[in-house]
Amino acid sequence: DTAVSQTPKYLVTQMGNDKSIKCEQNLGHDTMYWYKQDSKKFLKIMFSYNNKELIINETVPNRFSPKSPDKAHLNLHINSLELGDSAVYFCASTPTGVGEKLFFGSGTQLSVL
Amino acid sequence: EDQVTQSPEALRLQEGESSSLNCSYTVSGLRGLFWYRQDPGKGPEFLFTLYSAGEEKEKERLKATLTKKESFLHITAPKPEDSATYLCAVQASYQKVTFGTGTKLQVIP
Repeated sequence: DTAVSQTPKYLVTQMGNDKSIKCEQNLGHDTMYWYKQDSKKFLKIMFSYNNKELIINETVPNRFSPKSPDKAHLNLHINSLELGDSAVYFCASTPTGVGEKLFFGSGTQLSVL
Repeated sequence: EDQVTQSPEALRLQEGESSSLNCSYTVSGLRGLFWYRQDPGKGPEFLFTLYSAGEEKEKERLKATLTKKESFLHITAPKPEDSATYLCAVQASYQKVTFGTGTKLQVIP
């Protein structure tokens, strides 16, 4: 059973389109994240949710809108896709607390043409 | 703002050739320093958490150490299967974990 699962694995789309990435965790964790990894492997935090409440929003363009229908799910919707949005997007979850390790999904590789 | 700098960017070792990876950090109030391993096409996988200067943790051929300004990941007698990107991260505030850019390790048989 996959602990943190993301869909789709690959997403190829045209500039200007709207797309969504879904994430689910079956670990019972309270906190979920979206990270963006660029071509140089730099992992940058985008959003963090705790029990469906937005905790961290790291100056991400308004075109990115996370939604957490319940604490096991965190989806990412992206409007008006741009070339610079091409990256690998990772969902992660963790129990609430200091020093708790992150459990990552396998990533969604987004290519905007 | 929290900053994490890893060096070198890439490291190529012969099998059995021990070495160390460096992670320098600037953070106000370190609550935890993490090491993760990332294989191509996969998400990062947790290795260690260190909480305070002087702390050390070991797992197989890997040993992580922590000082007040940096952390080292020592790899003893590496094998080809240790090839991966190793990521360092720090946690200062309650839920924000900031990552470095990683060190890509290649171990040649």
